Amino acid sequence: GQSLEQPSEVTAVEGAIVQINCTYQTSGFYGLSWYQQHDGGAPTFLSYNALDGLEETGRFSSFLSRSDSYGYLLLQELQMKDSASYFCALIKAAGNKLTFGGGTRVLVKP
Amino acid sequence: GAVVSQHPSRVICKSGTSVKIECRSLDFQATTMFWYRQFPKQSLMLMATSNEGSKATYEQGVEKDKFLINHASLTLSTLTVTSAHPEDSSFYICSAPTEGETQYFGPGTRLLVL
Repeated sequence: GQSLEQPSEVTAVEGAIVQINCTYQTSGFYGLSWYQQHDGGAPTFLSYNALDGLEETGRFSSFLSRSDSYGYLLLQELQMKDSASYFCALIKAAGNKLTFGGGTRVLVKP
Repeated sequence: GAVVSQHPSRVICKSGTSVKIECRSLDFQATTMFWYRQFPKQSLMLMATSNEGSKATYEQGVEKDKFLINHASLTLSTLTVTSAHPEDSSFYICSAPTEGETQYFGPGTRLLVL
């Protein structure tokens, strides 16, 4: 089976940088995705890593190290609207189902 | 970008009744759709994979006779919660993969069983 571990909650102030770590156990996978979900809303795709290294998408970046079974999402220049839950998810193959981590609730304070 | 819709967005029903939730891909075809359930402050748990033109594939522990899935066309999958009970109250979300690794999620259906 697969399992993914994330911190349950992170609090930071506006303008700060937050790193959300995701450690996983799996026999093999296609890539690691990150999704954002605001309360009561649907998850929205943020970033994806198929290969080791850093992927930068605006204020959000994601990193993957397959040798360390570890990835992270980096949120820079935090804004109030970034208060949400963030999930890492493993995907076995393109178009295949996602296995989600437990989610990290990020609270941004003024 | 790709859009996935769900209907209804919210439903309240009495215990013992059945509820049907629709998931539509609006501007693309989806031979596969996924159904997730999310309890408050928890993660999304995959319930089943909906396959157009064939039977759905259910995750371990999900009762296929209770959660009926029909994928009748390339743009529509339905989830029917049969004989719903209060413990079935949850947020049900569908998703559809597009090109590559991205999946698009519907807005979700909040089910409350009284």
